Amino acid sequence: EDQVTQSPEALRLQEGESSSLNCSYTVSGLRGLFWYRQDPGKGPEFLFTLYSAGEEKEKERLKATLTKKESFLHITAPKPEDSATYLCAVQARSGGYNKLIFGAGTRLAVHP
Amino acid sequence: DTAVSQTPKYLVTQMGNDKSIKCEQNLGHDTMYWYKQDSKKFLKIMFSYNNKELIINETVPNRFSPKSPDKAHLNLHINSLELGDSAVYFCASSQGGGTTPRPYEQYFGPGTRLTVT
Repeated sequence: EDQVTQSPEALRLQEGESSSLNCSYTVSGLRGLFWYRQDPGKGPEFLFTLYSAGEEKEKERLKATLTKKESFLHITAPKPEDSATYLCAVQARSGGYNKLIFGAGTRLAVHP
Repeated sequence: DTAVSQTPKYLVTQMGNDKSIKCEQNLGHDTMYWYKQDSKKFLKIMFSYNNKELIINETVPNRFSPKSPDKAHLNLHINSLELGDSAVYFCASSQGGGTTPRPYEQYFGPGTRLTVT
C-alpha cells in the first residue's frame, strides 16, 4: 500500500539552529514528491517538486533532497517566520489516474 | 489575483442539514480536487475531476456529491450532515493530473471549516 511517513511530528528550533525534516515513502512507481508549507488556518502552499533520486531544489533557507526511499527538507538558519507545518506528498496511481498521498506533516516552531 | 478560492470560509450547521461548498480557480487548470483535513491534520483526497469528468472517487459516503459545471468550478454538496463530517475541506487544482506520468503541482484554496453540531 502506498504510504508516506513524516518525522518528527513536531520540531522546536531556536532561530539560526539548522535542522532537517524527513519524509519516507513507499509507492509503486514514484511519479513525483512534493513539499508544501501550511500555515494555521490556510491552505497548503506549494514549495518543491522532486522527481528523481539525487535531485535537489532550493528556495531561500529551504533545500529539498530526494533518495529512492526518502526525502529531506533541510532548513538552514531558520527564522521565526519559517514556523509552519511542512507537508510531504507523493504522486501515485489510483485506478489508472494520479493522486497525491500526503504525510501527516511536521509542525515546526522557530523561536527567537 | 490568480488563485483558488472557496466559499464559505466557515460553515456551522446542525446535524441532518444539507450544505454546499463552492470552489473556483482562475489558473486555467484542467483538474480540480476536494480534500478533507481532519482534526489530526491528515489531508486526504475525496474526489478529482479532469475536464469536468469525475476520475477519482475515494471511499466517501454517498452523502457527498461533487459537481463540476465547468473546468473552473467544482462544488461539493453534503446531505444529512453528521458530527463526523466536521473538518476542513480544501479545494485544489492542477494542470494535468489525469493519467499523465509527469509530476504536477496542485494549488490549494484557503479551506472551508465545517462544524456540525
